[in-house]
This record gives sequence, structure tokens and C-alpha cells, in this order.
Amino acid sequence: QKEVEQNSGPLSVPEGAIASLNCTYSDRGSQSFFWYRQYSGKSPELIMSIYSNGDKEDGRFTAQLNKASQYVSLLIRDSQPSDSATYLCAVNILVANTDKLIFGTGTRLQVFP
Amino acid sequence: DAGITQSPRHKVTETGTPVTLRCHQTENHRYMYWYRQDPGHGLRLIHYSYGVKDTDKGEVSDGYSVSRSKTEDFLLTLESATSSQTSVYFCATGLAGGPDTQYFGPGTRLTVL
Repeated sequence: QKEVEQNSGPLSVPEGAIASLNCTYSDRGSQSFFWYRQYSGKSPELIMSIYSNGDKEDGRFTAQLNKASQYVSLLIRDSQPSDSATYLCAVNILVANTDKLIFGTGTRLQVFP
Repeated sequence: DAGITQSPRHKVTETGTPVTLRCHQTENHRYMYWYRQDPGHGLRLIHYSYGVKDTDKGEVSDGYSVSRSKTEDFLLTLESATSSQTSVYFCATGLAGGPDTQYFGPGTRLTVL
């Protein structure tokens, strides 16, 4: 089992719809969760961080965390073609007694007009 | 955006040659990281630094070495490049270690023939 898993996609949604991106992780002790957006050929940029169970909203983005079920999700409301990118989930995982930030392989989102 | 630059941005080299990639930051962040990104694998940590002259290995460190003689510079060296090291390399920085927010540089595309 991979430490951080994401569906590679592509996830295709029409403009104006809600895009839902999911991520599961293996370490029950994980405390820090991040969503990065990566446009093709560009570097990852942080869009959301979440540390507590529940929802965290920032503009059109909502991160949801459920530690009991070990998943974190990202909702994008009113999706725009400019949201088309790969979304990376990152989770802190204890690796060889050291806390490391582990990235999923990303979900590609396509928003069509 | 953290002020992070990487050089070179693109490089083509031959198997067996040494290669050094440079990461420079202007944010005075204590932590610096080198990742590689490959299709199907996501971002994988090569080495990281938690201070001047303080470095440690990541999950894919074989064939790579690093040095950090100044806060602002973190060098990644491939002693003898192999085709399996063809990848996109990203430098990242962070105020705190491990699971905290990381800011990424623009990346270096390296091709080893």
C-alpha cells in the first residue's frame, strides 16, 4: 500500500460544477495535510493546508479531513477552466523515525467550458 | 512566493558525467529540499538540509550528494549521471522542518543520454 494515494484521473468536470478530489493515507499518526496545485510544466504551489478534522474553506476551495477514515479531500466550487491542473496531496508520514512530507502522485483535473 | 531560483533550468548531459544543480533562496528559510518528479512516482525526496552544513538523506538518495555552505544555497550533485536520473528536479524551502509548508522553485529538467 502506498503511503499517500490519489486517483490519477483525469477527473473531468464542466465549468461551474464542483470538483471533488480525494486522497487517502496510511499513517494514523499523521497531523499535517496539504494540497498543492501544479500546472503542466510548472512547479507545485500550495493552495490549502489542514490540520484538524472537519472542513476548512478558502474562497472556492474547501479541504475536508477525516482522520478516523484516513482521508483528506479538496472541493473546488464553481470550477473554472483555469483550475485545470494536477492536484497533489501531501501528508506527513513517519519514515524511519523521521517525520517526512510524502506526496501523492496527483490527480489531473480537467474543467471543460 | 518564496524567492527561489534554480539553475540551470534545462540540461542535457551524457551518462557518466558529473552534474551539479543549484538552488538559491532569498527568504532565509532554514530548511531546503531536493525532490525529483517522475511520471507515476510523484515527488520523491532526494536529500534535505536543516541548516548550514546539516544535511540528511531522503527516500531516493542513491547516486546523489548535496552540500549547503550558505543558508541561501543548496547544491545537488550527480557524481556520475545515469539515464535513470533523467527527471525534473525541484528545490523547495521551508521555515520549519518535516511536515510544514514547503515552497517550490521553478524546477530543472535534466536529460541524461
